Amino acid sequence: DAGVIQSPRHEVTEMGQEVTLRCKPISGHDYLFWYRQTMMRGLELLIYFNNNVPIDDSGMPEDRFSAKMPNASFSTLKIQPSEPRDSAVYFCASTPRAGMETQYFGPGTRLLVL
Amino acid sequence: AQSVAQPEDQVNVAEGNPLTVKCTYSVSGNPYLFWYVQYPNRGLQFLLKYITGDNLVKGSYGFEAEFNKSQTSFHLKKPSALVSDSALYFCAVRGGNTGFQKLVFGTGTRLLVSP
Repeated sequence: DAGVIQSPRHEVTEMGQEVTLRCKPISGHDYLFWYRQTMMRGLELLIYFNNNVPIDDSGMPEDRFSAKMPNASFSTLKIQPSEPRDSAVYFCASTPRAGMETQYFGPGTRLLVL
Repeated sequence: AQSVAQPEDQVNVAEGNPLTVKCTYSVSGNPYLFWYVQYPNRGLQFLLKYITGDNLVKGSYGFEAEFNKSQTSFHLKKPSALVSDSALYFCAVRGGNTGFQKLVFGTGTRLLVSP
């Protein structure tokens, strides 16, 4: 298996622009997570899905952030409009059904908002 | 609420010496405990986990961790450090209650192994 795949790996954009981050989880994994990592705040859970359904989005910073999972093999995290404080590394992770708790992380998307 | 503390921002050790990266936790019920490692410009990689059973857990790359319930700790150890072990290490915990619960990660400890 190729592992969790994220794209793009790097994104540079200007303030106010829309940013879309993409994730393909490991096949057969029922849970998908979006995390944000910054020096100041460490690793934060933004939202997670179970069987394509958002379960907990309490970590989403504000309404500018939205996430979708239209099918079991694809998820997006969108920021609209983007702001410089959104600059961070965004990770996607997936895990199999409950009972196998290890989360497998993608390589991350490094976002820079100018 | 569950929480994890990694009291050291950085640990320095010479190659060949033993290393310890500390982690303490707070959780309702029995804990599920994890260690992950992050190399520069990479995602987190799973090292090892404790669910139940033997308090000493062995993982990837020669790492091990000891679960201590009375001290609510889960320190990561390796008998002989390598320069290539230099990375950022995260401890994580979830409660052992039934149903899915999300992982809570510590703030990370940077390990620097000098030649």
